[in-house]
Amino acid sequence: GEDVEQSLFLSVREGDSSVINCTYTDSSSTYLYWYKQEPGAGLQLLTYIFSNMDMKQDQRLTVLLNKKDKHLSLRIADTQTGDSAIYFCAERSRGSQGNLIFGKGTKLSVKP
Amino acid sequence: EPEVTQTPSHQVTQMGQEVILRCVPISNHLYFYWYRQILGQKVEFLVSFYNNEISEKSEIFDDQFSVERPDGSNFTLKIRSTKLEDSAMYFCASSDKTTGELFFGEGSRLTVL
Repeated sequence: GEDVEQSLFLSVREGDSSVINCTYTDSSSTYLYWYKQEPGAGLQLLTYIFSNMDMKQDQRLTVLLNKKDKHLSLRIADTQTGDSAIYFCAERSRGSQGNLIFGKGTKLSVKP
Repeated sequence: EPEVTQTPSHQVTQMGQEVILRCVPISNHLYFYWYRQILGQKVEFLVSFYNNEISEKSEIFDDQFSVERPDGSNFTLKIRSTKLEDSAMYFCASSDKTTGELFFGEGSRLTVL
């Protein structure tokens, strides 16, 4: 079946940029998502990108999509301690009625 | 800001008991979903629901599971006879169309003893 992979941990210093990477196998992906999960909380939608785009920027967040390599990244500029959380990459296939395939999540730790 | 709300936040039950997890989706949304996350594993799709019927379901969503929208606001997931391996965080989500944003609730943690 289709799969989404992420590295499990990332540690950065406050003020630095964070880059969280994700790879996926489904060549018919239509939407790709980044969700954030803080401890004890639900999944917060951060941003998403349609598969015919290669970049999307939203304030401190930049999403880059390399469709050829099936690689998605999330860059957080000027990372703050409040950005510490688990970040999930997810993809939706063409024709899917909301079946998102999630990665295992990358735990971002921001050191002061 | 509108949000998806779920109850209970945590439920402990005995194996073999029936459990109902409740969700109130965002009010103008038409598509509803259940996902689950077993501890340490990926978030997995269970089922999507539109126009009062299931539109897609995964292999996990077997005959023990059912969904219902009993009153136009709540969206429920019933597990008929819980097993130990049903212990997980269950997330409800909703969207206003089939493409774009899915908004998730905070989850209901189910512990089966």
